[in-house]
Amino acid sequence: NAGVMQNPRHLVRRRGQEARLRCSPMKGHSHVYWYRQLPEEGLKFMVYLQKENIIDESGMPKERFSAEFPKEGPSILRIQQVVRGDSAAYFCASSLRQGEAFFGQGTRLTVV
Amino acid sequence: KQEVTQIPAALSVPEGENLVLNCSFTDSAIYNLQWFRQDPGKGLTSLLLIQSSQREQTSGRLNASLDKSSGRSTLYIAASQPGDSATYLCALGVGNTPLVFGKGTRLSVIA
Repeated sequence: NAGVMQNPRHLVRRRGQEARLRCSPMKGHSHVYWYRQLPEEGLKFMVYLQKENIIDESGMPKERFSAEFPKEGPSILRIQQVVRGDSAAYFCASSLRQGEAFFGQGTRLTVV
Repeated sequence: KQEVTQIPAALSVPEGENLVLNCSFTDSAIYNLQWFRQDPGKGLTSLLLIQSSQREQTSGRLNASLDKSSGRSTLYIAASQPGDSATYLCALGVGNTPLVFGKGTRLSVIA
């Protein structure tokens, strides 16, 4: 059973471009969470999704950020018109039930 | 609002020493508590998960305790090794909300 898979591992975008981050949860897991980690900071919750539904997006910036978890395929975190402040590590986690989460290796986004 | 604090922020110890990392939280109504390890530039590896009904969990040289009434958890590492050097994160599961993380303790074990 493969773990949580995130790709790409590293992503470089110029200011104003779009960034798409993908996350495939562990097999059988229907809960997906996205977190952002800034340098020297802890992980900050962004959004919680179940298949085809956004459950909690209280940590997501209101503009430029969106997330989906379609019936088929990976979860996608999309950042439009990226700015330098979006540079961070973005982690995805999945769980079978509430509480216990398994994390991917993260996508490190650098905006130049 | 649940807040998680980890003390110390950084710790440096000689190899072989036993050590304790601390995690405190403000709301005792938790579902579970999880300790993670993060190596530089890497993802998070789950070390121990303690359900709210449990007092402690052990895995090898690691022991984690949970005291909900005082809002505290400790991670005890016995006979530390240079390979234990990493950042250790404490995270709380609270009902139907996602995990709430502390900022972590950065551990260096010196050979």
